[in-house]
Amino acid sequence: AQSVTQLGSHVSVSEGALVLLRCNYSSSVPPYLFWYVQYPNQGLQLLLKYTSAATLVKGINGFEAEFKKSETSFHLTKPSAHMSDAAEYFCAVAEGSNFGNEKLTFGTGTRLTIIP
Amino acid sequence: ETGVTQSPTHLIKTRGQQVTLRCSSQSGHNTVSWYQQALGQGPQFIFQYYREEENGRGNFPPRFSGLQFPNYSSELNVNALELDDSALYLCASSARQAQETQYFGPGTRLLVL
Repeated sequence: AQSVTQLGSHVSVSEGALVLLRCNYSSSVPPYLFWYVQYPNQGLQLLLKYTSAATLVKGINGFEAEFKKSETSFHLTKPSAHMSDAAEYFCAVAEGSNFGNEKLTFGTGTRLTIIP
Repeated sequence: ETGVTQSPTHLIKTRGQQVTLRCSSQSGHNTVSWYQQALGQGPQFIFQYYREEENGRGNFPPRFSGLQFPNYSSELNVNALELDDSALYLCASSARQAQETQYFGPGTRLLVL
């Protein structure tokens, strides 16, 4: 079974500083990987996805992630944090071959706090 | 284009009761998946429906059941509610033929007392 591990349940960064949220995956086949964001009392919004087209994936709101097969990692970054980035972030891996159309396995999440 | 909608937004039930949650998929989407998100946890896959048939199931007991209708909307039914069923229930839709990513609704928050 595929799985993801998110290192750090809570991350705090100052406004304007680099955001780095870590995700490592386990998969016996080439994975499809995703980052979702969840604001308080809301559902999940897709930030970006990796589907083997390019290792550096750009998403919405200035976020990007790099797929590193040798490290089995898919870390999420943003050069300059904004107050509006405060939220819960989830890394997910898709089982199956339909670009996330099938079962998603999520990590436990990282709560991002932005310090003014 | 209408996104994924869910109803109700909040629900309170007592242990042993039954509950039905509803989901309308995004326009053009024919696949619906349900997830349970307990407080402080990531979402857990319950099951998926495609063309009105169950197409994959997670590690949930049979008292969790579902339906998909010809218009691709879906229901999640939970019988004999337990306290641990208290969670946010998320519905996600996708277009299987287009190999499209799943898009999530706002969720239904269920509290079992």
